[in-house]
Order: sequence, then C-alpha cells, then structure tokens
Amino acid sequence: GAVVSQHPSRVICKSGTSVKIECRSLDFQATTMFWYRQFPKQSLMLMATSNEGSKATYEQGVEKDKFLINHASLTLSTLTVTSAHPEDSSFYICSARPARRLITDTQYFGPGTRLTVL
Amino acid sequence: GENVEQHPSTLSVQEGDSAVIKCTYSDSASNYFPWYKQELGKRPQLIIDIRSNVGEKKDQRIAVTLNKTAKHFSLHITETQPEDSAVYFCAATSFGGTSYGKLTFGQGTILTVHP
Repeated sequence: GAVVSQHPSRVICKSGTSVKIECRSLDFQATTMFWYRQFPKQSLMLMATSNEGSKATYEQGVEKDKFLINHASLTLSTLTVTSAHPEDSSFYICSARPARRLITDTQYFGPGTRLTVL
Repeated sequence: GENVEQHPSTLSVQEGDSAVIKCTYSDSASNYFPWYKQELGKRPQLIIDIRSNVGEKKDQRIAVTLNKTAKHFSLHITETQPEDSAVYFCAATSFGGTSYGKLTFGQGTILTVHP
C-alpha cells in the first residue's frame, strides 16, 4: 500500500527557533500534499494545501510567513515553523494524495510530528 | 466553505453491541466521504469511504450510509470489540476545480467498547 513518512516524529525546541518537518511519499508520486494541525483532544484542522512546483494555498487564519511550505518534488513536502512559540506546540500531520492519473480519492496520512516548544 | 458536524462526541457501548456515529455536511458539492479511526498519538487510518453516487457501503462489520438530500452520512459498527475503541472522524470533500480534494473533518467521536 501507499506509505507516507514524516520526520522527525518528535521534536522539542526553544521558543524563537525554527523547526522543519519533512513529509515523504515513499512508493508513489503525490502532486498534492496537505498539512494538518491537531491539538489535544481536537480534530484535524487543515493548514495548507501544497502542490508540487507551485505556492501553497493556506487556510484562513494560518500565517503563511510563519508556516513555510515547500513542495519541491513529487515525493517531498516540507513545513517549517518559523520563530516557534509555545502556542505552536501541536501534532502536525501531513497527507499525500496520489497523482490524479491513478484515479483515487484516498489521501494517505503520515505518522505525525509532535512539536513541543518550550 | 464546507462545515461538518459530528455526533456524538463520546460513545460508550458494551462489547458485541452496535455503534452509530452521525455526520452532517453543508456543501452540496461534496462528493466523497471518508471515515477515519485514530488511536492516541497515531495517524488517522481510513476505515471506509463512500462516494456520492452510492447510498450505502459495507465492509465486514463496518458500514456507511449516505443521504444526499438530507446531507448526512453515518458510520455503523456491528459486533463491537474492545479493539474498536478509538477516536473516529468523518470527513467530506469535493473533487474538481481548485479544491484538490482537501478534507474537512468532523469534531471526532471517542468510542469506548467495554469488555
């Protein structure tokens, strides 16, 4: 089956530093990747949609200058949390949608990254 | 944009009983409705999905029904087992245009199955 990986799985950083999270589709090409944030005991909230070779589309209320997204290839998207603060502590999950030619509706989720900002 | 409401927020059943979780959506253009199971600290796992051209779909103990007119869909789990205990999320999306299939999730249901 389709596998999506994320790295790192867990990161602890000091306030004011930047953190980069990688999302990779291991055995398929993904023209579209999505980044979600999930606070404890809450649902997944879409942050942005990332398309290979173009700028990401951010959801309302998500600061694009704070959450930098790069989708440089068909198998890799990165999310950089810049100048992280304690309120950015959350579970960040990516998902990848296989290229349209595969004719599938399913998104495949990564295992998530637990970010803790001290 | 799309809005998905999910009920109940918590559901407690005895092993062997059935469990039903309901969701409503607002955007009549939505045409794909997946259900996910998420265990603590893990990724959401797709358990079943349904497209708008189908009214019901079943996979062993799990079934999903869709009422397009009323804009609601439901997850049915029969013969529940303790390992079914998790958080369940419904979601909705529409394909076409610039949506790229982005999912809008319900608030989640914490299902507890007591042995």
